[in-house]
Amino acid sequence: DIVMTQSPDSLAVSLGERATINCKSSQSVLYSSNNKNYLAWYQQKPGQPPKLLIYWASTRESGVPDRFSGSGSGTDFTLTISSLQAEDVAVYYCQQYYSTPLFTFGPGTKVDIK
Amino acid sequence: QLQLQESGPGLVKPSETLSLTCTVSGGSISSSSYYWGWIRQPPGKGLEWIGSIYYSGSTYYNPSLKSRVTISVDTSKNQFSLKLSSVTAADTAVYYCARSQTTSYVDYWGQGTLVTVSS
Repeated sequence: DIVMTQSPDSLAVSLGERATINCKSSQSVLYSSNNKNYLAWYQQKPGQPPKLLIYWASTRESGVPDRFSGSGSGTDFTLTISSLQAEDVAVYYCQQYYSTPLFTFGPGTKVDIK
Repeated sequence: QLQLQESGPGLVKPSETLSLTCTVSGGSISSSSYYWGWIRQPPGKGLEWIGSIYYSGSTYYNPSLKSRVTISVDTSKNQFSLKLSSVTAADTAVYYCARSQTTSYVDYWGQGTLVTVSS
């Protein structure tokens, strides 16, 4: 099984400042035949299902603000919110789909306003 | 617009079987491009993938739950279902049904339904 870890568990950032969340997989999720990283990021607000933000590690889903960006390759990935807005308060999860349809999620990172 | 809606009892007794159904609207469950799956989230905790099914009936289960899980599909009703046997309080969670593309990520989620295991 591919195990996903995230850091930090939580962070508080001032409005307009940068928030950075890290995700690490226990084995590479880079598929060599197509050079794609099988890694997605989701945002979950209280009482709502997760919302897809980023897929293929760095491709923004349609409608997602460009302050959200994803980077990384292999086993180490980052989600960056360049200028935190009040509506970005949520829990963020990374997910590997390298072993699709057997998915695993990271434990989540809670983002709050400082 | 694709919609997924979970339905089923909100309260299940310990040792009994949890049964949920997901009704898909706005798209066909018989598409060869997608898996249909179940994901759960205990209160205040993270997401756990339970299993997925292809329209043909091929199933894939989380190894940690495999002995207790059955997922089935009814293409005539555009529905798929989850059965989880021998439940305990640890199975109390919001259960989501979801769609994923055959080679990638989860792109649609239901709103989720809370199932509480209690006598």
